Amino acid sequence: DTGVSQNPRHKITKRGQNVTFRCDPISEHNRLYWYRQTLGQGPEFLTYFQNEAQLEKSRLLSDRFSAERPKGSFSTLEIQRTEQGDSAMYLCASSPPGTGDFGEQFFGPGTRLTVL
Amino acid sequence: GQSLEQPSEVTAVEGAIVQINCTYQTSGFYGLSWYQQHDGGAPTFLSYNALDGLEETGRFSSFLSRSDSYGYLLLQELQMKDSASYFCAVRGDTGRRALTFGSGTRLQVQP
Repeated sequence: DTGVSQNPRHKITKRGQNVTFRCDPISEHNRLYWYRQTLGQGPEFLTYFQNEAQLEKSRLLSDRFSAERPKGSFSTLEIQRTEQGDSAMYLCASSPPGTGDFGEQFFGPGTRLTVL
Repeated sequence: GQSLEQPSEVTAVEGAIVQINCTYQTSGFYGLSWYQQHDGGAPTFLSYNALDGLEETGRFSSFLSRSDSYGYLLLQELQMKDSASYFCAVRGDTGRRALTFGSGTRLQVQP
């Protein structure tokens, strides 16, 4: 399967713990996005990378959230000191040069985070 | 800021035609996208409109009126597998590549 992959698929953690998620985009895609989705809502943008550069960050992204894409390939999203309100599906998407202008992004299956 | 409005639920029968509307407010506008998401699945891209008019892709069509800040997704010959949530999304603000999604329309297709 050459689609976007995310690991882990599910994560249960206790409040106050740190968690890290990984996203592997489609290999030729230089653009990578992180979104968060809660039940009954659309995905909410968190951050965007073009190659290794983090070019956009949502105001939703508090200082407990950090994302990296060190070599312009896979990306990690870390949440420190998790809170119950962080429980959500974390989606990663990627797009190749050009088609990002056409609103087409390729989404991974997501990581479902549950904070107890 | 940006906001999108779409109906929360639509019900239709197999073989019918259904239209899902979306109105948007953005400070800039590049285009309107539509995504489908089955329960437990990832959003998948359906269509994109940057200019006014109708785009057709098989059973699905999408329409855009920039002057009205309005678009719709038209699904024809409905099948049970079309039961899913449908999201409109815009890339609005100048220079930004992030998509802003609506809250989604849950389509239930009945036999």
